[in-house]
Amino acid sequence: AQKVTQAQTEISVVEKEDVTLDCVYETRDTTYYLFWYKQPPSGELVFLIRRNSFDEQNEISGRYSWNFQKSTSSFNFTITASQVVDSAVYFCALSTPEYGNKLVFGAGTILRVKS
Amino acid sequence: GAVVSQHPSRVICKSGTSVKIECRSLDFQATTMFWYRQFPKQSLMLMATSNEGSKATYEQGVEKDKFLINHASLTLSTLTVTSAHPEDSSFYICSASAGHGTGNTIYFGEGSWLTVV
Repeated sequence: AQKVTQAQTEISVVEKEDVTLDCVYETRDTTYYLFWYKQPPSGELVFLIRRNSFDEQNEISGRYSWNFQKSTSSFNFTITASQVVDSAVYFCALSTPEYGNKLVFGAGTILRVKS
Repeated sequence: GAVVSQHPSRVICKSGTSVKIECRSLDFQATTMFWYRQFPKQSLMLMATSNEGSKATYEQGVEKDKFLINHASLTLSTLTVTSAHPEDSSFYICSASAGHGTGNTIYFGEGSWLTVV
């Protein structure tokens, strides 16, 4: 079975603070893909990153960085120097061969960045 | 980058009527499209997988006769909510994948807010 857990329901930070969003996944497959999406109030889902299970290298993209640790089945997302525009719901998702190309989403984490 | 467009973005319909939502891939051919439903402050729930030229595969608990999905071309999938009722009011969002393999980047449309009155 596939499962994604985002234990943090809501996080509030003050602008310029760093914030880490947690994501823990479960799968029996050795090949799988992990995703992060951002959903602003307007509703659309914005693709942020895709990572396959064989690539544990951490990634940095501007203020965003991702820490993938297979040993703990985690794929955490850090925003450095947060900005008000980062306020959104962030979803972590998983796809596996057993489940086709379907995405299994976590519950999402609401991030509120205050000025 | 790849773009998926969804229309209409907002629709209000009367109870008992049907409403159609379109999902188009604008700059790639989408062999597979997915339809999700999202209730307020909740996560996305997969409703069905739409494969071009074949019948959609519905997730458990989703009424296929109520939520009709058609994927007639590689760039268009439609979701028709038939005999809509207020409890069908929700945010519906589609996504598209360029290939069949697992792990292809999946892009989402802008979503459609359906209100049934």
